Amino acid sequence: AQKVTQAQTEISVVEKEDVTLDCVYETRDTTYYLFWYKQPPSGELVFLIRRNSFDEQNEISGRYSWNFQKSTSSFNFTITASQVVDSAVYFCALSEANYGGSQGNLIFGKGTKLSVKP
Amino acid sequence: NAGVMQNPRHLVRRRGQEARLRCSPMKGHSHVYWYRQLPEEGLKFMVYLQKENIIDESGMPKERFSAEFPKEGPSILRIQQVVRGDSAAYFCASSLLPEPWVMNTEAFFGQGTRLTVV
Repeated sequence: AQKVTQAQTEISVVEKEDVTLDCVYETRDTTYYLFWYKQPPSGELVFLIRRNSFDEQNEISGRYSWNFQKSTSSFNFTITASQVVDSAVYFCALSEANYGGSQGNLIFGKGTKLSVKP
Repeated sequence: NAGVMQNPRHLVRRRGQEARLRCSPMKGHSHVYWYRQLPEEGLKFMVYLQKENIIDESGMPKERFSAEFPKEGPSILRIQQVVRGDSAAYFCASSLLPEPWVMNTEAFFGQGTRLTVV
């Protein structure tokens, strides 16, 4: 069965600290895609990254970096030198190429609420 | 180029009333997806529509919920005889092409409609 687990419900850090948000996924497909979305207090969903299952290269974008490890079925997200504006709920999501009945739609984790205090 | 527009942003209904949620996709997009976010939960897929067709409604509750995407006008998610458990944020996303999360084509989420049933 497809499933995305974000074990950390809430994390609180002080500005400038590094923080890692964990994401573990389950899928039967060999071809799948992983995503991170940010939901700030205003409520919209902001796309951050998409990764396909054949590309295990880590990615860095400014203060954001992602660590994809197929061996542990994890796709963790690290924010370096966190800022107050990073405060949001972050969702990890999975989409399967062979659908498993889901038509390729997104399967979301429950989200991790990150609070960055000044 | 306006993004995905959802209205209303906030909707309050008494138990037993009907709720109508509207989603205007981005210009030129003919694929619409509805997701529901229950409190403290991740988003869950409800229904995928193309113009005048329901493609996948596997995530829709069997009763009281319906969706349409007419040839002209916004997509509508309709909830009849609302109950307290329907209180949630309802998001829609739109894409130009099908299966955007698998095919790595753009899909954009709206800001959501927060339904409160009192």
